[in-house]
Amino acid sequence: NAGVTQTPKFRVLKTGQSMTLLCAQDMNHEYMYWYRQDPGMGLRLIHYSVGEGTTAKGEVPDGYNVSRLKKQNFLLGLESAAPSQTSVYFCASSYSLDTLSPNTEAFFGQGTRLTVV
Amino acid sequence: SQQGEEDPQALSIQEGENATMNCSYKTSINNLQWYRQNSGRGLVHLILIRSNEREKHSGRLRVTLDTSKKSSSLLITASRAADTASYFCATDRAKNYGQNFVFGPGTRLSVLP
Repeated sequence: NAGVTQTPKFRVLKTGQSMTLLCAQDMNHEYMYWYRQDPGMGLRLIHYSVGEGTTAKGEVPDGYNVSRLKKQNFLLGLESAAPSQTSVYFCASSYSLDTLSPNTEAFFGQGTRLTVV
Repeated sequence: SQQGEEDPQALSIQEGENATMNCSYKTSINNLQWYRQNSGRGLVHLILIRSNEREKHSGRLRVTLDTSKKSSSLLITASRAADTASYFCATDRAKNYGQNFVFGPGTRLSVLP
């Protein structure tokens, strides 16, 4: 059982280049999330999705786009990378956020370390 | 702004001692979770406590929740070197604020052998 898989694990981009980070989960989770983690800042939510075909903005969405065309995949795109987007990116998924559901925990991928030069 | 704030930012203890970390949050929640992150890895879920619960145990972990003070604490008893990691609290926003988890900046725990 792979859980949440992120690709790639490392990437170096030049300013202005574009790229897509792929997140795949095999747990049939409805909810998926993209976070960035910076030193001293904890995790900040970029975008999230509450189901196939839906996306919503999080705390820091500027400069990023997302798509959820298939339930198991959540893509994060950087159209024109900037040095400020140097970070570690984490994808996560959860079955539900329903208060009555026992399956509310989030499962995380191993992260993508992105450097923009 | 962040919903949850852990305290202290860093904690260093000897193996065998207990470690206590605190989390404060601002708006009403449905549940609060604690996660651990080993260096260079993703976060791993430790324990969830619901807003109608006051205390929960899981192995060497004890979590308390005080909704009147909007705070939670994580106690790790008889710590081991393997407990060295960063610990994060995460809150869900109450449903009318949207469906997502909000993490604090974390507490870095170092357990010295």
